[in-house]
Amino acid sequence: EAGVAQSPRYKIIEKRQSVAFWCNPISGHATLYWYQQILGQGPKLLIQFQNNGVVDDSQLPKDRFSAERLKGVDSTLKIQPAKLEDSAVYLCASSSRQIANTGELFFGEGSRLTVL
Amino acid sequence: DAKTTQPTSMDCAEGRAANLPCNHSTISGNEYVYWYRQIHSQGPQYIIHGLKNNETNEMASLIITEDRKSSTLILPHATLRDTAVYYCIVRVPNQAGTALIFGKGTTLSVSS
Repeated sequence: EAGVAQSPRYKIIEKRQSVAFWCNPISGHATLYWYQQILGQGPKLLIQFQNNGVVDDSQLPKDRFSAERLKGVDSTLKIQPAKLEDSAVYLCASSSRQIANTGELFFGEGSRLTVL
Repeated sequence: DAKTTQPTSMDCAEGRAANLPCNHSTISGNEYVYWYRQIHSQGPQYIIHGLKNNETNEMASLIITEDRKSSTLILPHATLRDTAVYYCIVRVPNQAGTALIFGKGTTLSVSS
């Protein structure tokens, strides 16, 4: 079974530029999450989708971050304009409706963003 | 905010058991205890979870105290590949897929 795919793995941009990250969850997984992990800290939830609807985006800085999950499959996370403090690894995770109760989320390898 | 307290770091000799403690004194009756680990440059990986009974799987054992205020993750025979950050998380599972709230975790270093 293929895992959660993310791209790009690495991205370096100047502050005030824009960047987009893509996530392809495990086939059939209805729930998709984006986490931000700053160096030395645990992952922090940014947004959670159930199919193509947003369940929780309370931690998403909406003035600069946006995310969408068209057709309830792939998802894109965008940052515009980027700030220095956005330097982090952006992790995508998914879970199926059936395993949601077990707490098992499957994570991708992440996209590392460096803002200069 | 994370509802758990873990030591910042621990060391373990290869082949010995690694016992990782976690305090969750404010856990509520319907919250489960979950453990994930994150190997360097990878995403977190599910290890095990439990409610009040001890649990064991192919990766680890989870021991939860009777009052449920603390738990211990046991890796019975640690290897160098077990070097990682281990996260203890409490959450209430639901059909929509409750998100995990991570703390800083425990960095386990296994050495030969």
